[in-house]
Amino acid sequence: EVQLVESGGGLVQPGGSLRLSCAASGFTFSSYWMHWVRQAPGKGLVWVSRINSDGSSTSYADSVKGRFTISRDNAKNTLYLQMNSLRAEDTAVYYCARAGAFSVATIDYWGQGTLVTVSS
Amino acid sequence: QSALTQPASVSGSPGQSITISCTGTSSDVGSYNLVSWYQQHPGKAPKLMIYEGSKRPSGVSNRFSGSKSGNTASLTISGLQAEDEADYYCCSYAGSSIHVVFGGGTKLTVL
Repeated sequence: EVQLVESGGGLVQPGGSLRLSCAASGFTFSSYWMHWVRQAPGKGLVWVSRINSDGSSTSYADSVKGRFTISRDNAKNTLYLQMNSLRAEDTAVYYCARAGAFSVATIDYWGQGTLVTVSS
Repeated sequence: QSALTQPASVSGSPGQSITISCTGTSSDVGSYNLVSWYQQHPGKAPKLMIYEGSKRPSGVSNRFSGSKSGNTASLTISGLQAEDEADYYCCSYAGSSIHVVFGGGTKLTVL
């Protein structure tokens, strides 16, 4: 069974940093592209970032470019999102998601999410 | 990176059919046959319902179907059931730098 379990969310002050983790199990993690997608309270899904299967290629939404860094450790089956210079508008549930079972553009499994709150 | 356009809400009675539209541009929906649809119940993670425009993952009811014409994709749910009440999001590939873009979401109410 595919499982994606996010951790690392919490309350952080504006300008602060946080690192999210996503532990993957039930599939060959190193064979899949991975994404982070966020959802502000009461709002829709917004794509944040993606990384290819070996970590050599990444891309970011304009709203987080230069502040967030996606990475992965295939030996530990873990995806990361380093978030710096956090703003109030970054407040959201952050989902870790898998892509590549059908195409690298199709997200097929999602974690349950971890809540990040940016507030003073 | 503008979001794809979906109606904010749709509704239907049990047994009826509804269609949710998803309008993008020639840079995303119109250029690739890589539109996905997700169902999200309150407090839950999204679930993949349709991929590559019209394909259903294993385990998804055949009451769900997808199509595309030009820059607009559509999700049709036939034989509406109470458990179909949820938020639905479309998503399209938008090129290697942007990668994917989501629609704003549509709340489906089963009357």
